Amino acid sequence: DTEVTQTPKHLVMGMTNKKSLKCEQHMGHRAMYWYKQKAKKPPELMFVYSYEKLSINESVPSRFSPECPNSSLLNLHLHALQPEDSALYLCASSQNGAYEQYFGPGTRLTVT
Amino acid sequence: AQSVTQLDSQVPVFEEAPVELRCNYSSSVSVYLFWYVQYPNQGLQLLLKYLSGSTLVKGINGFEAEFNKSQTSFHLRKPSVHISDTAEYFCAVGNTDKLIFGTGTRLQVFP
Repeated sequence: DTEVTQTPKHLVMGMTNKKSLKCEQHMGHRAMYWYKQKAKKPPELMFVYSYEKLSINESVPSRFSPECPNSSLLNLHLHALQPEDSALYLCASSQNGAYEQYFGPGTRLTVT
Repeated sequence: AQSVTQLDSQVPVFEEAPVELRCNYSSSVSVYLFWYVQYPNQGLQLLLKYLSGSTLVKGINGFEAEFNKSQTSFHLRKPSVHISDTAEYFCAVGNTDKLIFGTGTRLQVFP
């Protein structure tokens, strides 16, 4: 099974809301990633967890808070977002780092 | 520092014609190169990768790419495209845990 699942598929939230995005993989991969993709742009790396520890934070604003409760699950907690945070949020996992990342279908987030 | 340049933002082509999507990279260290495809409203799927060895890399869906170190290029080719190949294609350079993507090329296949 090479599937990475993400929920929800779509999310609309106000600027004062708190919400969470969820990502799961059952491939036993040691690394999990969050990317942000704006329309007609490439994905931009946000966070990397390796063996359940945060290893890379690409200077992401604190209104985005990642969490890795276990080796299969990755969350992204959202609070006080801005309309410019509206984007497709992609999760990926990998056993071998950049060499082969498996992407989920993404959560399309709209901030109103 | 590493970077990737995709020279064409859009490539229109007729069905069954050959296509080449261009990618140039810049890196001061050994790199690993990738092509990913993104269909509308979906995540990214790995088409092929170059890690070492043969410079001609074959991937899924009939795509192949050639690593050219002297020209710092990694162009993607397909001899005969199908309507279903219409998608966004991203070239990427990777090192350890990080992937850096190019700006993407929209391949539009017309009947």
